[in-house]
Amino acid sequence: AQSVSQHNHHVILSEAASLELGCNYSYGGTVNLFWYVQYPGQHLQLLLKYFSGDPLVKGIKGFEAEFIKSKFSFNLRKPSVQWSDTAEYFCAPRGSSNTGKLIFGQGTTLQVKP
Amino acid sequence: KAGVTQTPRYLIKTRGQQVTLSCSPISGHRSVSWYQQTPGQGLQFLFEYFSETQRNKGNFPGRFSGRQFSNSRSEMNVSTLELGDSALYLCASSLPTLGPSSGNTIYFGEGSWLTVV
Repeated sequence: AQSVSQHNHHVILSEAASLELGCNYSYGGTVNLFWYVQYPGQHLQLLLKYFSGDPLVKGIKGFEAEFIKSKFSFNLRKPSVQWSDTAEYFCAPRGSSNTGKLIFGQGTTLQVKP
Repeated sequence: KAGVTQTPRYLIKTRGQQVTLSCSPISGHRSVSWYQQTPGQGLQFLFEYFSETQRNKGNFPGRFSGRQFSNSRSEMNVSTLELGDSALYLCASSLPTLGPSSGNTIYFGEGSWLTVV
């Protein structure tokens, strides 16, 4: 069965600290991978995506993620977080059939202290 | 260009009633998906429509249904509302793709907040 697991449910960091959010998935075959962010009171926005090619992908606002196929992981990183990064982060894999069906992780709430 | 538009944004319904939510995808997008977001269950896939046909369906009861029109606009309907149906309902749209590696990005609307009392 397709599944995704985000390791951290609630993360609290101080500004300028480094961030890494873990995401592991269980999918058969080729997979597309997404990270979405939901700022307080706002809708889901795409942070970054991996379809193929270079496993290190860069997204908006200084975020990046690395796809490690052997570990079925797609961890999100940011070298130095800002207070404005306070939000909920969702990892979402999708099977290669390229449908609109995403399986979301349970989400990680990031709180950045100023 | 305009994003995914959902209406209404907020609504309150009574148990037993039914509700219809509407979604207009980004221009040119033909795939429309619906998701339910609740604090307890997180984000769950409801169904996806492509070219007026349901292409995927999540694990929701038959009270949840949807349809897509020829202009790609979509509606979802929930009949016989229960308190547990209170949630944020998200619509998402995407372009068709050319193959497994080309990929396509899924864009989300702001959602419709449904409260069942």
